[in-house]
Amino acid sequence: DIQMTQSPSSLSASVGDRVTITCRASQSISTYLNWYQDKPGKAPKLLIYAASSLQSGVPSRFSGSGSGTDFTLTISSLQPEDFATYYCQQSYSTPFTFGGGTKVEIK
Amino acid sequence: EVQLVESGGGLIQPGGSLRLSCAASGFRVSSNYMSWVRQAPGKGLEWVSVIYTGGSTYYADSVKGRFTISRDNSKNTVYLQMNSLRAEDTAVYYCAKTGTIGDGFGMWGQGTVVTVSS
Repeated sequence: DIQMTQSPSSLSASVGDRVTITCRASQSISTYLNWYQDKPGKAPKLLIYAASSLQSGVPSRFSGSGSGTDFTLTISSLQPEDFATYYCQQSYSTPFTFGGGTKVEIK
Repeated sequence: EVQLVESGGGLIQPGGSLRLSCAASGFRVSSNYMSWVRQAPGKGLEWVSVIYTGGSTYYADSVKGRFTISRDNSKNTVYLQMNSLRAEDTAVYYCAKTGTIGDGFGMWGQGTVVTVSS
């Protein structure tokens, strides 16, 4: 099975900050990497698919990059509604594993 | 309206069985890759199972042999039959849709809560 490791597990940031979250796969997954935003009491929301493609309706301040084993999610200017937990997920092969999550908190 | 609606969750004793349903509207489940994803209280997301457009099915090791995913094209519904339930299966269970297998889960249901406890 492919293991997905996210870092950091949590971070504190202020509105307007640039935030970067990293995700590493235990083997090459090409660009089969997706990012989700998770808020309490709501279903997760797809932000980025195929490593760098922005899902329809997602603000352009979110971006993704990477290929192979190393990936990043960047929020260019953190907004109040962005405080949430973020997960990466590989769709290269089953089981479609998720990373452990990164909680973005208010500084 | 394009949506997924889960049902069937509840309180069940360890060792018991439960069947979750995911009713789709606005698209055909048979033309999409349909997954179940769960989230235990205070924990992260865990992929559980997928049914491909061709009918192939795959499972997480944690549920293999106990859970079965299926679909009824006439009802446009996906199911998750859960047997031999354990306390660690307690979670919110989400149904999720992928149009292309390499892409992410672009649509999710609202989730249904399964609690395994005596």
